[in-house]
Amino acid sequence: DAGVIQSPRHEVTEMGQEVTLRCKPISGHNSLFWYRQTMMRGLELLIYFNNNVPIDDSGMPEDRFSAKMPNASFSTLKIQPSEPRDSAVYFCASSPRGTYNEQFFGPGTRLTVL
Amino acid sequence: GESVGLHLPTLSVQEGDNSIINCAYSNSASDYFIWYKQESGKGPQFIIDIRSNMDKRQGQRVTVLLNKTVKHLSLQIAATQPGDSAVYFCAEIRGNKLVFGAGTILRVKS
Repeated sequence: DAGVIQSPRHEVTEMGQEVTLRCKPISGHNSLFWYRQTMMRGLELLIYFNNNVPIDDSGMPEDRFSAKMPNASFSTLKIQPSEPRDSAVYFCASSPRGTYNEQFFGPGTRLTVL
Repeated sequence: GESVGLHLPTLSVQEGDNSIINCAYSNSASDYFIWYKQESGKGPQFIIDIRSNMDKRQGQRVTVLLNKTVKHLSLQIAATQPGDSAVYFCAEIRGNKLVFGAGTILRVKS
């Protein structure tokens, strides 16, 4: 299996632009997680899905952030408009079923907002 | 300008020695714990997990110990190798979400 796939690996954009991060979970995994990692705050859960349904989005910073999972093999995290403080590494992870399982992380997307 | 961020503890060990990485957790109701390893430029990688009904669990070269009385978790790595150099995170279930600690840097000296 290819593992969790994220794209792009690096994104540099200007403040105010829309950013879309993409994730393909491991086939057969029912749960998908979006995390953000910064030097200031460490690794934080933003949102997670079970069977394509958002279960907990309490970690989403504000309305500028949105996430979708239209099917079992694809998810997006969108930031609109982006701000410099959104600069971070964003990880997508998937697990066979729920939180009480090993989560498999993708390689991450390094986002820089100028 | 001055850079402000998390100051991660660092553990330096000689190659071949055993390493012990410690973690304190806050939620006495937590019932599941995981250790992850993150190498530079990569995503976190699962090492080992333990449920609260256990005190100890062993894997290949790694052992996790759980002390619920003092809410303490530790990861022991036997015969540490240069490839073990990474940041190690403990994580606990809190409100059905996995919450990660700040991490510990492990440096292996050859």
